[in-house]
Formats: sequence, C-alpha cells, structure tokens
Amino acid sequence: DTAVSQTPKYLVTQMGNDKSIKCEQNLGHDTMYWYKQDSKKFLKIMFSYNNKELIINETVPNRFSPKSPDKAHLNLHINSLELGDSAVYFCASSRRANTGELFFGEGSRLTVL
Amino acid sequence: AQKITQTQPGMFVQEKEAVTLDCTYDTSDPSYGLFWYKQPSSGEMIFLIYQGSYDQQNATEGRYSLNFQKARKSANLVISASQLGDSAMYFCATKITGANSKLTFGKGITLSVRP
Repeated sequence: DTAVSQTPKYLVTQMGNDKSIKCEQNLGHDTMYWYKQDSKKFLKIMFSYNNKELIINETVPNRFSPKSPDKAHLNLHINSLELGDSAVYFCASSRRANTGELFFGEGSRLTVL
Repeated sequence: AQKITQTQPGMFVQEKEAVTLDCTYDTSDPSYGLFWYKQPSSGEMIFLIYQGSYDQQNATEGRYSLNFQKARKSANLVISASQLGDSAMYFCATKITGANSKLTFGKGITLSVRP
C-alpha cells in the first residue's frame, strides 16, 4: 500500500484552465503539506494543514486553493493556470506538525501549455 | 528566517568509497532540526537522517551519518561505502522547533556513484 498517494501523476493542460490534484495518506498522520518543485529542483512549501486546520500558508497566489476534508486528505485546486505554474507538486505528511520528518508522495508533474 | 546553503557542484564518488555532501545553515533560533532527504531520478523524496540542535552526538542511520558542527553552522552528510543506488539529488533542510514553522530546503546536490 502506498503511504502517501497523489493523483494524477501527470497533467498537461492549457493556460487558463482549472485543475485539481488529490492526495491521500494512510499513515494516520496529523499533518499534511503541499510543496512545489520548480525546474531547477528548488522545493518550496505552499501549504500545511494540521488536523484539517490550515497552519502554514506561504505567499501563494490565491488561484491555489487547498482543501482538507479530513486529516487523511489534502487536495489542491488551481484556477486559471499560468505557464509559471508548470512544476512538480509534492504532497507530504508527517506524524505531527512540529517534526521535519516528512513522507512524500511521488509527485504530480503539471505542464501548462 | 532560516537559510540552507548547498554550494557543491555535481559530486562524483567511486563505488564503495565514502563521500561528504556539504550543508551550511543560518538561523537565529536556538532550537531547530536539520534534515537530509534523497531524491532519486524516479522523483520521490526520501527522508534520510535528522539532527537536533541540542543533540550532543552526531546522528547516524546505517551508512548515513551527519557531521554536525554547531559553531560553524554546518551539517554535512557522510555516506559510507557508496552504492550505485546512492546516485541521486540530496537536499539539506532545516526547521525551527514548533508546529507552525516550515521545513526549508537547500537547492540540492547531485551525487553520481561510479562503478
């Protein structure tokens, strides 16, 4: 069983479209994250949720909206996609919010044309 | 604010030899953690090792050890007996102790293990 699973693994879409990436963890962890990895491999946190509550919200355009229906799921919806949104988006989870030991999903590669 | 610096260009090591990957950090907070992650070409991020700022001993996990020099603010990763499967990108990261602090990554180092 995959511990942190995200779907889809690949998205190719046109500018201006809306897309969603889903993430689920079966580890019983309290905290979930979205990270963005750009073309230079730089990893930057976008959001973090602890028990469904938003605790970290980096300077991310409001076109990006995370939703956590329960502590095992954290989805990412992106409106009005732009070329600069092309990246690999990683979902991750951790046992609690004050640890840096994260369990990552395999990533979702988004390409905006 | 926390900052991680990884300045080495791509690193090469012969199989079965040891290699050190450099990491320096900057934080004004006295309580923090240091982490290393591995990203193979398949793309997933894998946690390797953790060092707390108050830990007296250097962390070790199997073939991985962390050479922690607090005064120099460095947290180098040492991989002993390199294997071909160690070829990957390696990221150093830091996090201030506390629930609402973020894990901040360096830009990573590419390691290639030669047979």
